[in-house]
Amino acid sequence: GAVVSQHPSWVICKSGTSVKIECRSLDFQATTMFWYRQFPKQSLMLMATSNEGSKATYEQGVEKDKFLINHASLTLSTLTVTSAHPEDSSFYICSARESTGRGETQYFGPGTRLLVL
Amino acid sequence: KNQVEQSPQSLIILEGKNCTLQCNYTVSPFSNLRWYKQDTGRGPVSLTIMTFSENTKSNGRYTATLDADTKQSSLHITASQLSDSASYICVVSARKGTYKYIFGTGTRLKVLA
Repeated sequence: GAVVSQHPSWVICKSGTSVKIECRSLDFQATTMFWYRQFPKQSLMLMATSNEGSKATYEQGVEKDKFLINHASLTLSTLTVTSAHPEDSSFYICSARESTGRGETQYFGPGTRLLVL
Repeated sequence: KNQVEQSPQSLIILEGKNCTLQCNYTVSPFSNLRWYKQDTGRGPVSLTIMTFSENTKSNGRYTATLDADTKQSSLHITASQLSDSASYICVVSARKGTYKYIFGTGTRLKVLA
C-alpha cells in the first residue's frame, strides 16, 4: 500500500513554544490530507481536513489559530501547534487520501507524540 | 447521527485462541467499512475493506464479515499471536459529496503467552 510519513515521530517542548509536524505522502499525490489527535485509550478524533492550495476545514471545537495547517503541495501538509500548553500533549496522526479509478483510500502516518512540559 | 460502536471495549485471550470483535454502525449513506489495526504508539494500518455488496473479506488470519441489512460487522482473528496485541478500529465511510470517515472507539486486544 501507499506510504505516509510523519516527522518528527516524537517531540518534547516547553510550554509556550510552537511545534511543527510534517506529513508527507511518499509515493502518491494527495489533494486531501487529514489531521487527527488521539488521547490515551481513546479513538482518533478528526481535527481538520487539509486541502492542497486552499484553507483547511476545521472540526467544531478545534481552534484554527492554535492549530495552523498548511498544505502547500500535493505531497506535504504541516500542522503547527502554536503556543503549546501541557493540555496539547497528545498523539497526532495524519492521513492522506489517495483517489484512483476504483475509489479512495486513506493511508495513515505513523503518528507524532507531542509532550509539552 | 452517524455512529460506530465496537465491542468489547477490551479483550484478553491466550495465544493460539480465536476471537471475534464486533462493530455496529448507523452511518448513511454507507460507502464502505474498514478494519484497522493500531499498535501502541503507531498509526492505524488497514486490514480489510468491504463495500455494500461484500459480506466477507480475509487477510491472512483476519476475516471480516459485513451484514449491510443489520449494519453489523465482525473481525475474526484465528490462531492469535502475541503480535496481534493492539487496538482494532472499525471505520465506516459515508459519502455525501465527499467521503467522511466515522471511527469506532476501538477494541483493545491483549494476547497472552
